[in-house]
Amino acid sequence: NAGVTQTPKFRVLKTGQSMTLLCAQDMNHEYMYWYRQDPGMGLRLIHYSVGEGTTAKGEVPDGYNVSRLKKQNFLLGLESAAPSQTSVYFCASRDLTYTEAFFGQGTRLTVV
Amino acid sequence: AQSVAQPEDQVNVAEGNPLTVKCTYSVSGNPYLFWYVQYPNRGLQFLLKYITGDNLVKGSYGFEAEFNKSQTSFHLKKPSALVSDSALYFCACDSWGKLQFGAGTQVVVTP
Repeated sequence: NAGVTQTPKFRVLKTGQSMTLLCAQDMNHEYMYWYRQDPGMGLRLIHYSVGEGTTAKGEVPDGYNVSRLKKQNFLLGLESAAPSQTSVYFCASRDLTYTEAFFGQGTRLTVV
Repeated sequence: AQSVAQPEDQVNVAEGNPLTVKCTYSVSGNPYLFWYVQYPNRGLQFLLKYITGDNLVKGSYGFEAEFNKSQTSFHLKKPSALVSDSALYFCACDSWGKLQFGAGTQVVVTP
């Protein structure tokens, strides 16, 4: 049972390049989340999904897009990367709103 | 708007002393509240949650938290801190599936 798996674990992008971060969960969870973690800023919610085919904006959605075409996958896209998007990105999933969330190990993204 | 506040960037405590990490929240309706811990270069791990019922909830590793509706607070406590409790602690609040976290509090426990 792998839990929540994020791909890739590390990436360096040049300004203006695009990329997609993949989050996969094997627990049949309904809810999935993307966060970014920056020093002193805590975990900020980028986008989330309450079920297959649905997405919603979080606290800091600008510059990111997401898709949840399959229940087990939640993709985070950066269309034109900026240095301000240098961060550690975490994906999480959970079954119901009152249950604990399970986190991936994070993706460290550097935009130069 | 939904929000979570952790007023202390860092809490320092000597081993064996009680530990308290503060959290306040703002949300419409009844909140679901959580505490998580993060060790260096790791993802977050669940400690405990408040859904309903008893205002004092017990969780993993000897931690507990007290829910106070009138003060909109959910403080994390441990009666006797260990050096191994040194980590980054996050409070979180759920409202209709939107799970938001506070800025985190670094706990440093000295021998």
